[in-house]
Amino acid sequence: DTEVTQTPKHLVMGMTNKKSLKCEQHMGHRAMYWYKQKAKKPPELMFVYSYEKLSINESVPSRFSPECPNSSLLNLHLHALQPEDSALYLCASSQESVQAINYGYTFGSGTRLTVV
Amino acid sequence: GNSVTQMEGPVTLSEEAFLTINCTYTATGYPSLFWYVQYPGEGLQLLLKATKADDKGSNKGFEATYRKETTSFHLEKGSVQVSDSAVYFCALRSKLGSAGGTSYGKLTFGQGTILTVHP
Repeated sequence: DTEVTQTPKHLVMGMTNKKSLKCEQHMGHRAMYWYKQKAKKPPELMFVYSYEKLSINESVPSRFSPECPNSSLLNLHLHALQPEDSALYLCASSQESVQAINYGYTFGSGTRLTVV
Repeated sequence: GNSVTQMEGPVTLSEEAFLTINCTYTATGYPSLFWYVQYPGEGLQLLLKATKADDKGSNKGFEATYRKETTSFHLEKGSVQVSDSAVYFCALRSKLGSAGGTSYGKLTFGQGTILTVHP
């Protein structure tokens, strides 16, 4: 299995809703990432998990709350979002080793989020 | 810090034309270099990579050579197809730090180049 699976593919939520995005990989990767991407722009890093521990938070607002329940799963909990948070949310994973820089990330297809 | 600069787009070509998308980088140490492609409505796919100077990455007719002397990693294809229409991102990865006794590197992206190929 060489894929990163993200669900749901599309999500529409109101500003008072609580929802969660899910990401799963079975490649044995021990680093997992959340990115936010606006149309035609590069992905912006939000969070990095390494060995199920949060290692990077790129000053993301607290209305986004990541969780890594185990080495294969990554969640992003959403609460009280704003319309400007509408974007494509991408999950990625990568190897975690001394040779890790030789390998790219494997990305999921993303969740298209619309906040109304 | 690390940075990647790509040529401004969008790039519009006719089918079978030659493609070059320029990419230059700034990094400390010896980064690995990557090209990612994003087709409409999809996530990013790794297109090719090179991990040391003078390495050539290739895939699906695309090529790029890691040039340390010019800090460049230009993407080329001899004959583009309509199906190559996508956004192309140049990226680098260098050692960031350590976690759990091993090391990993943060991926730094360029701004992306939109390619449109007409029949």
